[in-house]
Amino acid sequence: DAKTTQPNSMESNEEEPVHLPCNHSTISGTDYIHWYRQLPSQGPEYVIHGLTSNVNNRMASLAIAEDRKSSTLILHRATLRDAAVYYCILQDNYGQNFVFGPGTRLSVLP
Amino acid sequence: EAGVTQSPTHLIKTRGQQATLRCSPISGHTSVYWYQQALGLGLQFLLWYDEGEERNRGNFPPRFSGRQFPNYSSELNVNALELEDSALYLCASSFRGYEQYFGPGTRLTVT
Repeated sequence: DAKTTQPNSMESNEEEPVHLPCNHSTISGTDYIHWYRQLPSQGPEYVIHGLTSNVNNRMASLAIAEDRKSSTLILHRATLRDAAVYYCILQDNYGQNFVFGPGTRLSVLP
Repeated sequence: EAGVTQSPTHLIKTRGQQATLRCSPISGHTSVYWYQQALGLGLQFLLWYDEGEERNRGNFPPRFSGRQFPNYSSELNVNALELEDSALYLCASSFRGYEQYFGPGTRLTVT
């Protein structure tokens, strides 16, 4: 079973920031938090991952709560191309396979 | 750099037949993962291979099997196909890291 919970769907307007939440209350100290997204008719693609500290890359930012029981993926300016299903995944061992939940379907309105 | 490639893109089989799906990882990657994405069921983990060995297996019957070759490419075999095996089969690769890179998938249709 997936160890994360996410809202089923969210909506955003184009060019506005989007905050996608994820709860992982049973996270262990060695679990990494991953975010992937799946655009229509494509395989999932890596977005970002982190352990304890907040992380930034060219695609997004990851804000991790101090107790690590929740995290938020931040898209700073949503574009139509960001419409996808976003998955929050915990990985407990180096290289271990992922357990995907249903994810959050993000719709971006023009 | 070439990404993960999968073949064939589409595969149509009859119930009871066998299907073979192939995956070529990114050059230098030693781990290959297989996932099944059936309509309405989300992504389910199938198999994980690393350095030629099976490292983990998801909750699938034994008729789902595979192997990893010395060049790290991989094959997924599904025997005695059933209608519910119709799905998108995704392969991902990784090099001893946390990021997995996914291929475009093979769409298997069982009639």
